[in-house]
Amino acid sequence: ILNVEQSPQSLHVQEGDSTNFTCSFPSSNFYALHWYRWETAKSPEALFVMTLNGDEKKKGRISATLNTKEGYSYLYIKGSQPEDSATYLCAFWKVGAAGNKLTFGGGTRVLVKP
Amino acid sequence: NAGVTQTPKFQVLKTGQSMTLQCAQDMNHEYMSWYRQDPGMGLRLIHYSVGAGITDQGEVPNGYNVSRSTTEDFPLRLLSAAPSQTSVYFCASSRNSNQPQHFGDGTRLSIL
Repeated sequence: ILNVEQSPQSLHVQEGDSTNFTCSFPSSNFYALHWYRWETAKSPEALFVMTLNGDEKKKGRISATLNTKEGYSYLYIKGSQPEDSATYLCAFWKVGAAGNKLTFGGGTRVLVKP
Repeated sequence: NAGVTQTPKFQVLKTGQSMTLQCAQDMNHEYMSWYRQDPGMGLRLIHYSVGAGITDQGEVPNGYNVSRSTTEDFPLRLLSAAPSQTSVYFCASSRNSNQPQHFGDGTRLSIL
């Protein structure tokens, strides 16, 4: 994988159900993996910054895991609520000859139906 | 606690005009960046800076210039606006790669 890829692009979840989605990134020159939550008409807000293989982070009903060796991270939402409706972005921080920069995936748009 | 401040919030330009989007942060962050957001394309990095006097290109730098004369300010200049530059622009800053990015409220730019 050369760039950051997120799947699925969108998903509909029934209120109360749990869900998860994937961020795939290059496994070489890994430095950090960020997750952001982005509500319509607002700015992205940080959820997690993950740096170590095997990292697990949790914030309320949202959690994330990281596998740097195979280049993927999962974001989980437990017991989805309508207020969880947003686009979830992951971003890969790469350090190398090409620079020191944060590259975003296209996002997973989550719609929680009451 | 201002955080990251972007001005203006909205702007309409004619093709060929130039303008500067302003970005300022009061958190003493070294890393600052500009992104553009287009439908279905997430956030794409235009330019970034790892400190005063140091800037570098991102994924989509063509048509944009930046400078970083102080830690606080990171303006983005459109040299000769084109309709393809119609977008929402976000400025962000962070202390380093292990810290989350703080985003401004965005500038919605339309070029006719």
